[in-house]
Amino acid sequence: SAVISQKPSRDICQRGTSLTIQCQVDSQVTMMFWYRQQPGQSLTLIATANQGSEATYESGFVIDKFPISRPNLTFSTLTVSNMSPEDSSIYLCSVEGRGGYPEAFFGQGTRLTVV
Amino acid sequence: GQNIDQPTEMTATEGAIVQINCTYQTSGFNGLFWYQQHAGEAPTFLSYNVLDGLEEKGRFSSFLSRSKGYSYLLLKELQMKDSASYLCAVKGATNKLIFGTGTLLAVQP
Repeated sequence: SAVISQKPSRDICQRGTSLTIQCQVDSQVTMMFWYRQQPGQSLTLIATANQGSEATYESGFVIDKFPISRPNLTFSTLTVSNMSPEDSSIYLCSVEGRGGYPEAFFGQGTRLTVV
Repeated sequence: GQNIDQPTEMTATEGAIVQINCTYQTSGFNGLFWYQQHAGEAPTFLSYNVLDGLEEKGRFSSFLSRSKGYSYLLLKELQMKDSASYLCAVKGATNKLIFGTGTLLAVQP
């Protein structure tokens, strides 16, 4: 299994500001994934972060709004920029299992409220 | 398009058995996963199916029929702590996980 530390666990932010979420994994991984979970909804993939290259964004998500960094194989950040109340969600980072285990492991999530 | 459907809510009684269904239409198939998510917590892995048939893991079993695009999660001997959302997710051709809307299970005494 993988141990993922994500912070902050929660934050309340003013609209128009930005928040950077950090994700630290206890081992080196090739890909890290960022998801959004809006209230009462399931998980939607925002982007895939690969070390040494630009993140790959899913339809409906753009780099200007959700810039991602991946400076090494154990760490990534997601920034939610120019926030509005519609950005209030839980944001989760995730990695895939190692050693042939296919399942994904998730950080504990960041509960963001924009006021 | 890609679509994963689950019932929105289910209610069951402590000690009983409940089956949560999932149907999917995706571009490619590289496995189906079930996750449990308690309120305010991250999803935790329950089961994985890539071949047709039943996978059993303690009180939890998961079944897959690839030809029908269908899976179910079976929970036996329900406990109050099983009250949670259950997420069906498919890994498609791009090897990215696509999540269903989730089923909120309420276990009643």
